[in-house]
Amino acid sequence: SAVISQKPSRDICQRGTSLTIQCQVDSQVTMMFWYRQQPGQSLTLIATANQGSEATYESGFVIDKFPISRPNLTFSTLTVSNMSPEDSSIYLCSVVGREGVNTEAFFGQGTRLTVV
Amino acid sequence: SQQGEEDPQALSIQEGENATMNCSYKTSINNLQWYRQNSGRGLVHLILIRSNEREKHSGRLRVTLDTSKKSSSLLITASRAADTASYFCATVGGGTSYGKLTFGQGTILTVHP
Repeated sequence: SAVISQKPSRDICQRGTSLTIQCQVDSQVTMMFWYRQQPGQSLTLIATANQGSEATYESGFVIDKFPISRPNLTFSTLTVSNMSPEDSSIYLCSVVGREGVNTEAFFGQGTRLTVV
Repeated sequence: SQQGEEDPQALSIQEGENATMNCSYKTSINNLQWYRQNSGRGLVHLILIRSNEREKHSGRLRVTLDTSKKSSSLLITASRAADTASYFCATVGGGTSYGKLTFGQGTILTVHP
């Protein structure tokens, strides 16, 4: 299993500003994943963060809006840039317990972002 | 993009009753997983069923998978008020996409004491 600490747990931000969300894992992992959950909706993958290389973004998400850092095998940050009210969502980071296809994922407790 | 639909979108039952949630998906998969989310917080993994499996049990949970119909169901038996949560199915596609989950829309389960 993996324990993930995500900070902040919630924040209220002004439009036009940026917020950086931190994700710390208690073990070394190859890949970390960032998801967005819009109000009342399901989760959508934003990007996959690999240590030592640029993040891979899913369709509809771009690096300028959601820059990601992955400085080592236990830590990653996601920045939500130039925020608008449409960015109000829960942002979650995730890792898998072990490499391979048939493995469960572990999630942080999420960051609830409100943009006003 | 979302993988598919879950139904019902919301389910309200009494404690002790069984709860059944269904999930459909669109593409080929390696496995299908079910997760639970309490009050918009982090997700907790419940059960994983591989594409070559048809049924799996874990405690009060029973999951079925029908790859010909691209559908799965989650049965929670003898439900408890503490089972109140949102339940999501998620699939892992083919290729090397492990760890990348595609989620269904979710079912909000309310269990009344």
